[in-house]
Amino acid sequence: SQTIHQWPATLVQPVGSPLSLECTVEGTSNPNLYWYRQAAGRGLQLLFYSIGIDQISSEVPQNLSASRPQDRQFILSSKKLLLSDSGFYLCAWSVRLGEAGELFFGEGSRLTVL
Amino acid sequence: AQTVTQSQPEMSVQEAETVTLSCTYDTSESNYYLFWYKQPPSRQMILVIRQEAYKQQNATENRFSVNFQKAAKSFSLKISDSQLGDTAMYFCAFRHYGQNFVFGPGTRLSVLP
Repeated sequence: SQTIHQWPATLVQPVGSPLSLECTVEGTSNPNLYWYRQAAGRGLQLLFYSIGIDQISSEVPQNLSASRPQDRQFILSSKKLLLSDSGFYLCAWSVRLGEAGELFFGEGSRLTVL
Repeated sequence: AQTVTQSQPEMSVQEAETVTLSCTYDTSESNYYLFWYKQPPSRQMILVIRQEAYKQQNATENRFSVNFQKAAKSFSLKISDSQLGDTAMYFCAFRHYGQNFVFGPGTRLSVLP
Protein backbone atom coordinates (compact mmCIF):
# COMPACT_ATOMS: atom_id res chain seq x y z
CA SER A 1 0.00 0.00 0.00
CA GLN A 2 1.04 3.58 -0.52
CA THR A 3 2.25 5.75 2.32
CA ILE A 4 3.39 9.34 2.62
CA HIS A 5 5.55 10.77 5.36
CA GLN A 6 6.75 14.26 6.03
CA TRP A 7 9.05 15.64 8.66
CA PRO A 8 9.73 17.28 10.94
CA ALA A 9 6.26 17.38 12.50
CA THR A 10 7.00 20.54 14.45
CA LEU A 11 9.59 23.21 13.89
CA VAL A 12 10.35 26.49 15.67
CA GLN A 13 12.80 28.69 13.81
CA PRO A 14 14.07 32.26 14.19
CA VAL A 15 13.50 34.83 11.49
CA GLY A 16 16.23 34.68 8.87
CA SER A 17 17.10 31.04 9.45
CA PRO A 18 16.88 28.39 6.69
CA LEU A 19 14.12 25.82 6.33
CA SER A 20 13.93 22.31 4.97
CA LEU A 21 10.79 20.19 5.10
CA GLU A 22 10.95 16.78 3.55
CA CYS A 23 8.27 14.51 2.15
CA THR A 24 8.59 10.95 0.93
CA VAL A 25 6.07 8.72 -0.78
CA GLU A 26 6.31 4.94 -0.81
CA GLY A 27 4.45 2.25 -2.70
CA THR A 28 3.84 4.14 -5.93
CA SER A 29 5.78 5.44 -8.90
CA ASN A 30 5.66 8.73 -10.81
CA PRO A 31 3.27 10.46 -8.43
CA ASN A 32 2.21 14.07 -8.68
CA LEU A 33 3.54 15.79 -5.58
CA TYR A 34 2.23 18.90 -3.85
CA TRP A 35 3.05 21.32 -1.06
CA TYR A 36 0.17 23.16 0.57
CA ARG A 37 0.09 25.72 3.36
CA GLN A 38 -2.80 25.97 5.75
CA ALA A 39 -3.18 29.13 7.83
CA ALA A 40 -4.95 28.78 11.16
CA GLY A 41 -8.66 28.15 10.60
CA ARG A 42 -8.37 28.64 6.89
CA GLY A 43 -8.28 26.56 3.76
CA LEU A 44 -5.41 25.15 1.82
CA GLN A 45 -3.19 27.23 -0.39
CA LEU A 46 -1.26 25.38 -3.08
CA LEU A 47 2.39 26.41 -3.00
CA PHE A 48 4.11 24.02 -5.39
CA TYR A 49 3.33 20.98 -7.45
CA SER A 50 5.50 18.59 -9.39
CA ILE A 51 4.76 16.12 -12.15
CA GLY A 52 8.26 14.66 -12.26
CA ILE A 53 11.87 14.91 -11.15
CA ASP A 54 13.10 18.50 -11.36
CA GLN A 55 9.71 19.58 -12.75
CA ILE A 56 8.35 22.09 -10.26
CA SER A 57 5.57 24.62 -10.70
CA SER A 58 5.02 27.48 -8.29
CA GLU A 59 1.52 28.74 -7.69
CA VAL A 60 2.31 31.87 -5.71
CA PRO A 61 5.36 34.11 -5.46
CA GLN A 62 6.93 33.70 -2.06
CA ASN A 63 9.94 33.21 0.07
CA LEU A 64 9.90 29.46 -0.42
CA SER A 65 11.22 27.03 -3.01
CA ALA A 66 10.69 23.35 -3.73
CA SER A 67 12.82 20.61 -5.18
CA ARG A 68 12.26 17.04 -6.29
CA PRO A 69 15.62 15.30 -6.41
CA GLN A 70 14.07 11.84 -6.63
CA ASP A 71 10.81 10.49 -8.00
CA ARG A 72 9.18 10.09 -4.59
CA GLN A 73 10.91 12.85 -2.63
CA PHE A 74 9.70 16.42 -2.38
CA ILE A 75 11.47 19.10 -0.37
CA LEU A 76 10.25 22.53 0.70
CA SER A 77 13.00 25.03 1.47
CA SER A 78 13.75 28.59 2.36
CA LYS A 79 17.06 30.39 2.65
CA LYS A 80 15.75 32.99 5.10
CA LEU A 81 12.47 32.56 6.92
CA LEU A 82 10.02 35.40 7.44
CA LEU A 83 7.44 35.72 10.20
CA SER A 84 4.74 35.31 7.57
CA ASP A 85 6.08 31.83 6.73
CA SER A 86 4.57 30.47 9.93
CA GLY A 87 1.83 27.94 9.29
CA PHE A 88 0.92 24.34 8.81
CA TYR A 89 2.49 22.74 5.76
CA LEU A 90 1.04 19.71 4.08
CA CYS A 91 2.65 17.45 1.53
CA ALA A 92 0.36 15.43 -0.71
CA TRP A 93 0.49 13.10 -3.66
CA SER A 94 -1.89 11.90 -6.35
CA VAL A 95 -1.73 9.33 -9.09
CA ARG A 96 0.07 10.92 -11.99
CA LEU A 97 -1.98 9.65 -14.87
CA GLY A 98 -5.27 9.20 -13.07
CA GLU A 99 -7.09 12.45 -13.61
CA ALA A 100 -9.80 11.48 -11.17
CA GLY A 101 -7.25 10.70 -8.52
CA GLU A 102 -7.73 11.94 -5.02
CA LEU A 103 -5.06 13.63 -2.95
CA PHE A 104 -3.32 11.69 -0.20
CA PHE A 105 -1.91 13.90 2.52
CA GLY A 106 1.03 13.61 4.85
CA GLU A 107 0.80 14.23 8.56
CA GLY A 108 1.73 17.88 8.24
CA SER A 109 4.54 20.08 9.58
CA ARG A 110 3.79 22.96 11.91
CA LEU A 111 6.27 25.79 11.45
CA THR A 112 6.55 28.67 13.87
CA VAL A 113 8.85 31.51 12.96
CA LEU A 114 9.82 33.74 15.87
CA ALA B 1 -11.29 30.60 -12.20
CA GLN B 2 -12.91 27.90 -10.16
CA THR B 3 -13.87 28.75 -6.61
CA VAL B 4 -15.27 26.70 -3.75
CA THR B 5 -17.40 28.26 -1.03
CA GLN B 6 -18.30 26.81 2.35
CA SER B 7 -20.68 29.26 3.99
CA GLN B 8 -20.63 27.66 7.45
CA PRO B 9 -17.35 28.37 9.27
CA GLU B 10 -18.48 26.38 12.31
CA MET B 11 -21.22 23.93 13.12
CA SER B 12 -22.14 21.68 15.98
CA VAL B 13 -24.35 18.62 16.28
CA GLN B 14 -25.42 16.33 19.06
CA GLU B 15 -24.05 12.84 19.06
CA ALA B 16 -26.26 10.41 17.07
CA GLU B 17 -27.99 13.20 15.18
CA THR B 18 -27.64 14.19 11.52
CA VAL B 19 -25.83 17.24 10.20
CA THR B 20 -25.41 18.68 6.71
CA LEU B 21 -22.41 20.72 5.61
CA SER B 22 -22.84 23.03 2.64
CA CYS B 23 -20.57 23.56 -0.31
CA THR B 24 -21.03 25.49 -3.52
CA TYR B 25 -18.61 25.89 -6.36
CA ASP B 26 -18.23 27.91 -9.48
CA THR B 27 -17.01 26.50 -12.76
CA SER B 28 -17.76 26.66 -16.43
CA GLU B 29 -16.50 23.14 -16.98
CA SER B 30 -18.73 20.09 -17.34
CA ASN B 31 -16.27 17.32 -16.43
CA TYR B 32 -14.93 17.52 -12.93
CA TYR B 33 -14.75 15.80 -9.56
CA LEU B 34 -15.82 16.85 -6.12
CA PHE B 35 -14.43 15.71 -2.80
CA TRP B 36 -14.99 16.06 0.91
CA TYR B 37 -11.92 15.82 3.11
CA LYS B 38 -11.81 15.50 6.88
CA GLN B 39 -9.03 16.89 9.07
CA PRO B 40 -9.36 15.79 12.71
CA PRO B 41 -7.57 17.89 15.34
CA SER B 42 -3.82 17.33 15.04
CA ARG B 43 -4.33 14.43 12.68
CA GLN B 44 -3.92 13.58 9.05
CA MET B 45 -6.32 14.85 6.41
CA ILE B 46 -8.25 12.01 4.83
CA LEU B 47 -10.77 11.64 2.04
CA VAL B 48 -14.35 11.16 3.19
CA ILE B 49 -16.20 10.88 -0.09
CA ARG B 50 -15.92 11.76 -3.77
CA GLN B 51 -18.32 12.39 -6.61
CA GLU B 52 -17.81 12.37 -10.35
CA ALA B 53 -19.82 15.13 -12.01
CA TYR B 54 -21.01 12.88 -14.82
CA LYS B 55 -22.69 10.54 -12.35
CA GLN B 56 -26.23 11.49 -11.39
CA GLN B 57 -26.35 9.13 -8.43
CA ASN B 58 -25.22 10.65 -5.18
CA ALA B 59 -22.18 9.02 -3.59
CA THR B 60 -22.53 7.26 -0.24
CA GLU B 61 -19.90 5.93 2.17
CA ASN B 62 -21.41 4.34 5.26
CA ARG B 63 -22.76 7.24 7.38
CA PHE B 64 -21.59 9.86 4.89
CA SER B 65 -23.58 10.83 1.83
CA VAL B 66 -23.69 13.76 -0.54
CA ASN B 67 -26.41 15.76 -2.20
CA PHE B 68 -24.97 16.71 -5.58
CA GLN B 69 -26.98 19.29 -7.49
CA LYS B 70 -25.03 19.93 -10.67
CA ALA B 71 -27.25 22.66 -12.07
CA ALA B 72 -27.12 24.54 -8.79
CA LYS B 73 -23.39 23.78 -8.39
CA SER B 74 -24.01 22.50 -4.92
CA PHE B 75 -22.32 19.60 -3.15
CA SER B 76 -23.43 19.15 0.45
CA LEU B 77 -22.24 16.47 2.87
CA LYS B 78 -24.65 14.69 5.19
CA ILE B 79 -23.34 12.90 8.23
CA SER B 80 -25.83 10.54 9.80
CA ASP B 81 -25.65 9.16 13.33
CA SER B 82 -22.87 11.61 14.22
CA GLN B 83 -20.08 10.26 16.39
CA LEU B 84 -17.55 12.03 18.59
CA GLY B 85 -14.85 10.97 16.16
CA ASP B 86 -16.50 13.03 13.43
CA THR B 87 -15.29 16.19 15.15
CA ALA B 88 -12.96 17.77 12.59
CA MET B 89 -12.47 20.40 9.93
CA TYR B 90 -14.23 19.44 6.73
CA PHE B 91 -13.01 20.72 3.40
CA CYS B 92 -14.90 20.64 0.16
CA ALA B 93 -12.69 20.39 -2.92
CA PHE B 94 -13.10 20.60 -6.67
CA ARG B 95 -10.90 19.21 -9.36
CA HIS B 96 -11.38 19.70 -13.05
CA TYR B 97 -10.00 17.03 -15.31
CA GLY B 98 -6.26 17.55 -15.62
CA GLN B 99 -6.05 20.50 -13.27
CA ASN B 100 -5.13 21.05 -9.66
CA PHE B 101 -7.46 20.86 -6.70
CA VAL B 102 -9.34 23.89 -5.43
CA PHE B 103 -10.30 23.79 -1.75
CA GLY B 104 -12.94 25.64 0.19
CA PRO B 105 -12.11 27.45 3.46
CA GLY B 106 -13.45 24.60 5.58
CA THR B 107 -16.19 24.03 8.14
CA ARG B 108 -15.27 23.21 11.72
CA LEU B 109 -17.69 20.56 13.00
CA SER B 110 -18.03 19.76 16.67
CA VAL B 111 -19.96 16.69 17.75
CA LEU B 112 -21.30 17.20 21.26
CA PRO B 113 -21.83 14.36 23.72
